[in-house]
Amino acid sequence: GAVVSQHPSWVICKSGTSVKIECRSLDFQATTMFWYRQFPKQSLMLMATSNEGSKATYEQGVEKDKFLINHASLTLSTLTVTSAHPEDSSFYICSARAGSNYGYTFGSGTRLTVV
Amino acid sequence: GQQVMQIPQYQHVQEGEDFTTYCNSSTTLSNIQWYKQRPGGHPVFLIQLVKSGEVKKQKRLTFQFGEAKKNSSLHITATQTTDVGTYFCAVDFGNEKLTFGTGTRLTIIP
Repeated sequence: GAVVSQHPSWVICKSGTSVKIECRSLDFQATTMFWYRQFPKQSLMLMATSNEGSKATYEQGVEKDKFLINHASLTLSTLTVTSAHPEDSSFYICSARAGSNYGYTFGSGTRLTVV
Repeated sequence: GQQVMQIPQYQHVQEGEDFTTYCNSSTTLSNIQWYKQRPGGHPVFLIQLVKSGEVKKQKRLTFQFGEAKKNSSLHITATQTTDVGTYFCAVDFGNEKLTFGTGTRLTIIP
């Protein structure tokens, strides 16, 4: 149980374009989802908390207008990287928790390369 | 912000040797979680510790939470090639957001 599906697994886009990443909880409802970014050989850094039916909350230093988050249902959160630049190239991962007695379940991640 | 320090950053061991990674915090923790991330993969939850002095085992993995709840360790006995990956500790500081340690990258020499 507690599966989180993330798509796409990888994407290559041109500078200036936008990319949408989807994260779905398949067998539980997730009122809250978390979006992380991980650069090579580094730890996971929390970017934002996605809240179903309300605005996302962003960590300090993360541009909310650049990283648009939508959590329109209890099972789907999307992250859109707008006007992508090469420095946005990274591994983006979402996570959610099925309940307080569970650990956090992570999606398989999206490797974004901006050329 | 609140941080969790993790050492060592890298560990290369001969297959069959033991491995330990440590996490330390300057503040008392209510809980600590451990995750494993295989190369190219995503973090996978291993365990959560909440009690002072708690020790939990999963086959060859032993997890400990310090008496003062400021540190934790993960010990792997007799490593195998399947143990390769980065091991992270992570803490929920009360707002349901996970703060990850810096991770320990384990490589196994066959």
